[in-house]
Amino acid sequence: SQQGEEDPQALSIQEGENATMNCSYKTSINNLQWYRQNSGRGLVHLILIRSNEREKHSGRLRVTLDTSKKSSSLLITASRAADTASYFCATDGTSGSRLTFGEGTQLTVNP
Amino acid sequence: DAGITQSPRYKITETGRQVTLMCHQTWSHSYMFWYRQDLGHGLRLIYYSAAADITDKGEVPDGYVVSRSKTENFPLTLESATRSQTSVYFCASLGGQREAFFGQGTRLTVV
Repeated sequence: SQQGEEDPQALSIQEGENATMNCSYKTSINNLQWYRQNSGRGLVHLILIRSNEREKHSGRLRVTLDTSKKSSSLLITASRAADTASYFCATDGTSGSRLTFGEGTQLTVNP
Repeated sequence: DAGITQSPRYKITETGRQVTLMCHQTWSHSYMFWYRQDLGHGLRLIYYSAAADITDKGEVPDGYVVSRSKTENFPLTLESATRSQTSVYFCASLGGQREAFFGQGTRLTVV
């Protein structure tokens, strides 16, 4: 079964609005990562947050991690049509270097 | 060119045939992974490798074989292709900051 589960499965917003996606996971982690996938393409790494960090920023991205709840959120501020893509969380577990991905959130940003 | 490349990009094969998907990376990353992504879903780990001659099973290894005689190459072989193995296959390698770099994917259709 998937380690990470994203919520919601799909999100549609207007340009300029903020988009928030959530990820829950099951086991202990070294870090949690977020990736983006444009249609028909490979995944691209966005941001990594370590298990001892609670919040991290990168440009318009803000990631939070709550290890007590085994959950993370990705916030994209001031969204653009070009942000339209699928977003996946991935966990790097403590039992070995294997990244486990969730099912993803399909984000659509309408111009 | 530096990076991670997969070949072929598209492949159609018949049920029962053996097919090999190639993956090559130029960074000398130790860890490499093979994932499959079925339409509208996340990535599921097939096999991974910690170094040359070290491989291990992921979530869905049945029907697949891997080898890693050289650090830069990590081929995936479907020994006897089945229709359920129709999918998009992604190869990835793990960078020094524990982020994954993905190839462009191989779209495999088994008829």
